[in-house]
Amino acid sequence: QQQVKQSPQSLIVQKGGISIINCAYENTAFDYFPWYQQFPGKGPALLIAIRPDVSEKKEGRFTISFNKSAKQFSLHIMDSQPGDSATYFCAASISNFGNEKLTFGTGTRLTIIP
Amino acid sequence: DVKVTQSSRYLVKRTGEKVFLECVQDMDHENMFWYRQDPGLGLRLIYFSYDVKMKEKGDIPEGYSVSREKKERFSLILESASTNQTSMYLCASRVQGFQPQHFGDGTRLSIL
Repeated sequence: QQQVKQSPQSLIVQKGGISIINCAYENTAFDYFPWYQQFPGKGPALLIAIRPDVSEKKEGRFTISFNKSAKQFSLHIMDSQPGDSATYFCAASISNFGNEKLTFGTGTRLTIIP
Repeated sequence: DVKVTQSSRYLVKRTGEKVFLECVQDMDHENMFWYRQDPGLGLRLIYFSYDVKMKEKGDIPEGYSVSREKKERFSLILESASTNQTSMYLCASRVQGFQPQHFGDGTRLSIL
C-alpha cells in the first residue's frame, strides 16, 4: 500500500521554466511533509519542508504548496536551472514523540535542458 | 558538517551468504535508518533505531536484521542473501524529532 503517491515519474523542463512535482497522501494523521533532492551517486538531502498549519512555504526558488483538504502537496521550482537536474522525493511522517519515520514517494527524475 | 559513512560503495555477494552493511555517523544522532532504493519504488524503510540497542521494523523488514551496539554505528544484516535483495542501500541518521535525515552515499549491493 503506497501511502504517498508522487507524479510525474520523470519531467523535462526548459531552463528558466517552472518545474512542478505533485504528491498526494491518504493518511490524515501525517503532519510533516519534507522534500528531498538526490544527485547521481549521492544520498538524498533535505531541500524544504512544511507543516500542515501553513498553505505555502518558500525558500529561494523552491516553494511547497500544501492543500490539506485535497490531501495534496507540491514542489514548485521557479527559474529552473541545469543544476536543479536531480531526483526529487516527497515524504510524509506522523508525530511520534521524537521517533518519527518518513514515508517516501516514488521519486521524480527532473531534467532541465538549456 | 554531518557525515554518514557507509563502509562499501559497491558489494557483490552470492545467494545464501550472510551479508553485513555498516554505517557510521559522527554527529551523536539518536536516530538511524536503513532504506533500500529501487527504480520506480522510491525509498523504502527496512529498519530504524531510535537509540542504542533499540530497533523497530520498517515497511520491508523481511530477510533483514539490524544491530546497534554503539550510538554511532548501525549495521544491516542480510541473513541469507537472495537475488531479490539486489538493490541500493542507504543509511541515514538524525537527531530526534522533525529534523533532517542525513544520508550516506549508499551501497550498491549485487547478489549473484
